[in-house]
Amino acid sequence: EPEVTQTPSHQVTQMGQEVILRCVPISNHLYFYWYRQILGQKVEFLVSFYNNEISEKSEIFDDQFSVERPDGSNFTLKIRSTKLEDSAMYFCASSRDRLISYEQYFGPGTRLTVT
Amino acid sequence: EDQVTQSPEALRLQEGESSSLNCSYTVSGLRGLFWYRQDPGKGPEFLFTLYSAGEEKEKERLKATLTKKESFLHITAPKPEDSATYLCAVPFGNEKLTFGTGTRLTIIP
Repeated sequence: EPEVTQTPSHQVTQMGQEVILRCVPISNHLYFYWYRQILGQKVEFLVSFYNNEISEKSEIFDDQFSVERPDGSNFTLKIRSTKLEDSAMYFCASSRDRLISYEQYFGPGTRLTVT
Repeated sequence: EDQVTQSPEALRLQEGESSSLNCSYTVSGLRGLFWYRQDPGKGPEFLFTLYSAGEEKEKERLKATLTKKESFLHITAPKPEDSATYLCAVPFGNEKLTFGTGTRLTIIP
């Protein structure tokens, strides 16, 4: 069964450093998403991406964040200058069509630890 | 204000003891309600989508139902492997899912 994959599974970085989290969505899916989950808290939406551009973003997704689909398979989330409060699990998700009709499938996550 | 609330926060059941989890929502114009299962340190795993009041979906020991204000996830004769956090989510905006805080379910052998 096709699944969303994410690398790395765990990333440790120092405050102020740049990190890139990588995702390979399900191959016939057209919509891509990033969510995060701070330990013990809700899963929170960050951004959605379609047709090589951001289609929706939350207030969390400020200028420190960017997303990119550098080739036909990868989808990345970049955090330019990490802060302690960026420590969280980051989940990539994909769906075949817009949310209103199709489910989002999540990857296993990347645990980001900022020290 | 658009909101998703789940109860209880945690639930401990004996193996075989049936129960229900609740997800209540306030949104104008529901465009679907999603149930996910999340194991510790893992990503949410899709279970069900419900679109209209009265709709029901089943998968093994789980059955999800939907009314105009809430959804229930019924678990019948649960087994220890059903232990997980169960999340419900509702779309607000075009694409983003807003999640509840989840119900942490523990099934005791």
